[in-house]
Amino acid sequence: ETGVTQTPRHLVMGMTNKKSLKCEQHLGHNAMYWYKQSAKKPLELMFVYNFKEQTENNSVPSRFSPECPNSSHLFLHLHTLQPEDSALYLCASSQDLNRAREKLFFGSGTQLSVL
Amino acid sequence: AQTVTQSQPEMSVQEAETVTLSCTYDTSESDYYLFWYKQPPSRQMILVIRQEAYKQQNATENRFSVNFQKAAKSFSLKISDSQLGDAAMYFCAYQQGGSEKLVFGKGTKLTVNP
Repeated sequence: ETGVTQTPRHLVMGMTNKKSLKCEQHLGHNAMYWYKQSAKKPLELMFVYNFKEQTENNSVPSRFSPECPNSSHLFLHLHTLQPEDSALYLCASSQDLNRAREKLFFGSGTQLSVL
Repeated sequence: AQTVTQSQPEMSVQEAETVTLSCTYDTSESDYYLFWYKQPPSRQMILVIRQEAYKQQNATENRFSVNFQKAAKSFSLKISDSQLGDAAMYFCAYQQGGSEKLVFGKGTKLTVNP
């Protein structure tokens, strides 16, 4: 048990669907992150939240919409995705913002396939 | 922009032997941190070891150690007494001091042979 749980583990969706990825951390952390891991590119930071407030959006297209209702939960709402959005989406948390001082704890990811 | 290069897509090692994974990076900053992360088949990324650029001493964590060559911008990971559970993807990562952003390499797949 890593303390960071992601659901679903796998997701297949059509380009016109709307779906959501969920992340929950049980570690009492204040900062949460979404990362994208695609087959052809290195792991990329997407969004950063600190105390429910978004602190970083790494030029992510608007078809990805994050939501952080509290420090324990993070969602990634997906709509009108493209096949190139197929990837492993990883959630992570840290006690505070990760300015290299804090250890990141990752979930096991959601493997997304867009058809 | 900072970049991280892992030149070995795949490596293999015999159980109980030692293996070294290579990583180079490019930056003009002086305040930064370097990391090695492990991603087993479970997909969960796990921090293996961390190195602060201002520290000359190489970081060690049990069987894992790094060779940090700051002038050469090289950051290799040595795994001693390799175990079957070490089989995984290994990612080298860079983080500028004060930034939230980790820059990852493309990874090295390590196979451990019994």
